[in-house]
Amino acid sequence: GIQVEQSPPDLILQEGANSTLRCNFSDSVNNLQWFHQNPWGQLINLFYIPSGTKQNGRLSATTVATERYSLLYISSSQTTDSGVYFCAVREYSTLTFGKGTMLLVSP
Amino acid sequence: SQTIHQWPATLVQPVGSPLSLECTVEGTSNPNLYWYRQAAGRGLQLLFYSVGIGQISSEVPQNLSASRPQDRQFILSSKKLLLSDSGFYLCAWSDRPNEQYFGPGTRLTVT
Repeated sequence: GIQVEQSPPDLILQEGANSTLRCNFSDSVNNLQWFHQNPWGQLINLFYIPSGTKQNGRLSATTVATERYSLLYISSSQTTDSGVYFCAVREYSTLTFGKGTMLLVSP
Repeated sequence: SQTIHQWPATLVQPVGSPLSLECTVEGTSNPNLYWYRQAAGRGLQLLFYSVGIGQISSEVPQNLSASRPQDRQFILSSKKLLLSDSGFYLCAWSDRPNEQYFGPGTRLTVT
């Protein structure tokens, strides 16, 4: 099956800093999603982005499907951005998740 | 708008006891439904998915089973829980094989 690798596995930032999270996948995919899992476990949809670039407030994402990677940008980070960020790709009917990037934003 | 519910939110069960977790979706018809488990260490593992009533696909052979008795209801069950069944169970839906949306989850501890 398809392999999904996320980097870095852990990231610590000061409030206000910017960061880039990366997702590499091993084969062609039909879609790609980014999620944020908050400290209570809820998975929040950030982006559905099989290709191209999207922006939502301080967050943006870019997927280059031909090169099999996606990037999630977080600008001016806030403590509420803390949690685990997952990338997930769809090959057929199901999503395959990466292991996530755990982000801690300190005040 | 669509909403997804899971219950219970938390559950503590002894080894060998049965399990039933329920997931329901509102505001859509004939969704694809999914059960995931997240053990300590972050990764999400797909357990089952369903594209229609009575249609269940199992991704990982294990001590669990799933059923879909109604269009928007998905149930995860076990006859006898093992310690290794502990974890965070997430239900998800999609109204087409594109974007998935997750429920709030059930945290299961098997003692």
